[in-house]
Amino acid sequence: DAGVTQSPTHLIKTRGQHVTLRCSPISGHKSVSWYQQVLGQGPQFIFQYYEKEERGRGNFPDRFSARQFPNYSSELNVNALLLGDSALYLCASIAQAGVPYEQYFGPGTRLTVT
Amino acid sequence: DQQVKQNSPSLSVQEGRISILNCDYTNSMFDYFLWYKKYPAEGPTFLISISSIKDKNEDGRFTVFLNKSAKHLSLHIVPSQPGDSAVYFCAASASWNQGGKLIFGQGTELSVKP
Repeated sequence: DAGVTQSPTHLIKTRGQHVTLRCSPISGHKSVSWYQQVLGQGPQFIFQYYEKEERGRGNFPDRFSARQFPNYSSELNVNALLLGDSALYLCASIAQAGVPYEQYFGPGTRLTVT
Repeated sequence: DQQVKQNSPSLSVQEGRISILNCDYTNSMFDYFLWYKKYPAEGPTFLISISSIKDKNEDGRFTVFLNKSAKHLSLHIVPSQPGDSAVYFCAASASWNQGGKLIFGQGTELSVKP
């Protein structure tokens, strides 16, 4: 069984640019959550999507957006990149929304903004 | 406002001994708690969870204890093995937000010495 996949693994962008990160959940899982992890901190919740609808949003600016596709894969978009957006972006796969099932994480995308 | 806190950034134990990792939380609405292990360059790996209706959950060498009155949980690893060396995160969830949002602590880096 394939786990959670994320692409790309590493990315270097310049301030002001836009970035799109991608995630494919575990087969059969219908919900994904996105997290940002900066060095020395725990992951911070950004979004949860279930059945293509946003189910939760963390304390992040509107420069951050996401969507979920009919095959349950998801994209995280960040506009007008700032140096402080440099972080590991994690996608978590959840069997379904409604109950705090365990979330299974992908390997992450390491974003560096210069 | 850090709702989940891991006050020990690091812990070193001898192989074969017990490792005890601690976590405190402030929000009484949290009703589900999880522990994750993270190796460098990988996403967090789910270890064990506990619902607020229980005070103990055991899975092999891993046991999580929950003290609701103290808003404290701990992860015991017995016996500790060198392969357990990693960063451990505790996380909390509230079912009112449908479980999609995990609040993580800052992590504790465990080093198990042979």
